[in-house]
Amino acid sequence: DGGITQSPKYLFRKEGQNVTLSCEQNLNHDAMYWYRQDPGQGLRLIYYSQIVNDFQKGDIAEGYSVSREKKESFPLTVTSAQKNPTAFYLCASSGPGHSAETDTQYFGPGTRLTVL
Amino acid sequence: AQSVTQLDSQVPVFEEAPVELRCNYSSSVSVYLFWYVQYPNQGLQLLLKYLSGSTLVKGINGFEAEFNKSQTSFHLRKPSVHISDTAEYFCAVSRIQGGKLIFGQGTELSVKP
Repeated sequence: DGGITQSPKYLFRKEGQNVTLSCEQNLNHDAMYWYRQDPGQGLRLIYYSQIVNDFQKGDIAEGYSVSREKKESFPLTVTSAQKNPTAFYLCASSGPGHSAETDTQYFGPGTRLTVL
Repeated sequence: AQSVTQLDSQVPVFEEAPVELRCNYSSSVSVYLFWYVQYPNQGLQLLLKYLSGSTLVKGINGFEAEFNKSQTSFHLRKPSVHISDTAEYFCAVSRIQGGKLIFGQGTELSVKP
């Protein structure tokens, strides 16, 4: 079964701690994305990667870091520098390549992060 | 740059009634348009998309949307809603060939018995 998995579903963190959210896909997609969702604010792009070992900042990258060592995996680290990290985090992927069909993004189930 | 405006933050409707969720976009270049649905505490599921061709697009769960280039709109419609359609709906736009996906603020559809 092809798809995007995110783990864990719920995550609790103490202030001042770094935490890493997992995102894995077996769709053979080239591009992967991380979004943050807050109530009433839609989705905002944190980071994206169009190819292995390369990634770009999105609109709200401050306080976050990513890596893309494998095509299937795009983990997101929420660092202690992120001032307000409590949110719902969504991972997405698209591809392969760029065409009308393959530019469609598909989403994982999300991770809800709560800072205590 | 592209932008998306969903004109209603909440839409209450009775079961079996028709519904229209409104979406307007702004862009100086050609775009792709999408509607996604999100059930509580879940990810986004693609409902339908307009890439090119026919302006009337049919999606899953009986939804359809019409692309209107002159009015820069992409409204989502369903002729008869069910309780199970209660969810949040997001309109999104991206520039053709690799543009970032820009989301609207979302419309909360609440279907009452």
